[in-house]
Amino acid sequence: EIVLTQSPATLSVSPGERATLSCRASQSISSKLAWYQYKPGQGPRLLIYGSSTRATGIPARFSGSGSGTDFTLTISSLQSEDFAIYYCQQYNDWPPITFGPGTKVEVK
Amino acid sequence: HLVESGGGLVRPGGSLRLSCAASGLSVGYHYMSWVRQAPGKGLEWVSVLFTGGKTYYAESMKGRFTISRDESKNILYLQMTFLRPEDTAVYYCARDLSGSHYPYWYFDLWGRGTLVTVSS
Repeated sequence: EIVLTQSPATLSVSPGERATLSCRASQSISSKLAWYQYKPGQGPRLLIYGSSTRATGIPARFSGSGSGTDFTLTISSLQSEDFAIYYCQQYNDWPPITFGPGTKVEVK
Repeated sequence: HLVESGGGLVRPGGSLRLSCAASGLSVGYHYMSWVRQAPGKGLEWVSVLFTGGKTYYAESMKGRFTISRDESKNILYLQMTFLRPEDTAVYYCARDLSGSHYPYWYFDLWGRGTLVTVSS
């Protein structure tokens, strides 16, 4: 089973600033990584798949990069609605697909 | 649109059946998964039902959980038996983005979840 680690666990950012979130896989997963945004009381929202492809309706301020074992989600200018928890998910090796432990983006 | 129901409080060793009612899509035409989130924890994939009927489960759920669907009612189910305290979680149903003959294994539509609490 592929293990994903995310850093930092919590990221404190001011609105308008840039946020950079990391996800590392325990072995190579090519570009088979997705990112989700999660807010309590709601289902997760797909942001990115294929490491760098934005899902339908996702603003351009969200971008993803990386391949192999190291991946990054960048939010270029944080808006108030972006404060949430972000999960990465690998789908290179299944079943099972696996998720990272999450990064909480909070207001600084 | 996906709406989960059927959660609640159940004793260890008990059973529960979760439902995921779909609207605006047909559960039989999509690869559908259940994903859970234990309190204070991250997301954990539980099970998938392929369009052709094949199923997969996470290791700790094998033999205890059964995923199925009723296409006439457009509902996805998760039958859970021999429940353990560590099964306590919010359970989400999710639609695979794939419109193809194989799953993509990432999910573009989720419900709001239903809470299952396993406790004596």
